[in-house]
Amino acid sequence: AQKVTQAQTEISVVEKEDVTLDCVYETRDTTYYLFWYKQPPSGELVFLIRRNSFDEQNEISGRYSWNFQKSTSSFNFTITASQVVDSAVYFCALSVPSGGYQKVTFGTGTKLQVIP
Amino acid sequence: EPEVTQTPSHQVTQMGQEVILRCVPISNHLYFYWYRQILGQKVEFLVSFYNNEISEKSEIFDDQFSVERPDGSNFTLKIRSTKLEDSAMYFCASSDEGNAYNSPLHFGNGTRLTVT
Repeated sequence: AQKVTQAQTEISVVEKEDVTLDCVYETRDTTYYLFWYKQPPSGELVFLIRRNSFDEQNEISGRYSWNFQKSTSSFNFTITASQVVDSAVYFCALSVPSGGYQKVTFGTGTKLQVIP
Repeated sequence: EPEVTQTPSHQVTQMGQEVILRCVPISNHLYFYWYRQILGQKVEFLVSFYNNEISEKSEIFDDQFSVERPDGSNFTLKIRSTKLEDSAMYFCASSDEGNAYNSPLHFGNGTRLTVT
């Protein structure tokens, strides 16, 4: 069975501070994908990044960066110089192949509040 | 960029009534999903659908739920007799066939269902 743990329920930072959102996953599958989604107050789910289990390179996209550590089963997300618009709930998700389609397990989410 | 569209954005219904939530997946996608998010909780898998049949369903997806692809574009979720605990945000998602498990799920903006 798959499991995704986001231990931080809520985080508050002051604008321009850096913040890291933690994600720890469990799976017995050797092929899997990890995702981060953003859910702003308006409620939609916005895809941020996908990473497969064979690619441990860190990735940077503007102010966002992701640190994938297979040895610790973690896929952490850092926002540099946070902005008020970053305020949202962020979900980490794990996808494993299942009969040709995806079976996705979401974490419980981390609510980030960026204070101006 | 193509989008998954869901209608209505908000549906209010009385307990015991039937509701149909509608989704138009991205046109070249062939795998479809419904997820549910009870307010403040994590996103939960309901059902996956491919080639006009259910691929997998969760224990949440009981006999009160059904899905259908009535034509070439729509994908619907029906709840036959709604209960108070069905109140949630319902997300439709789709993914590519060729990369069924390595492409991100594309989510719609969700339908907020309120059962009174």
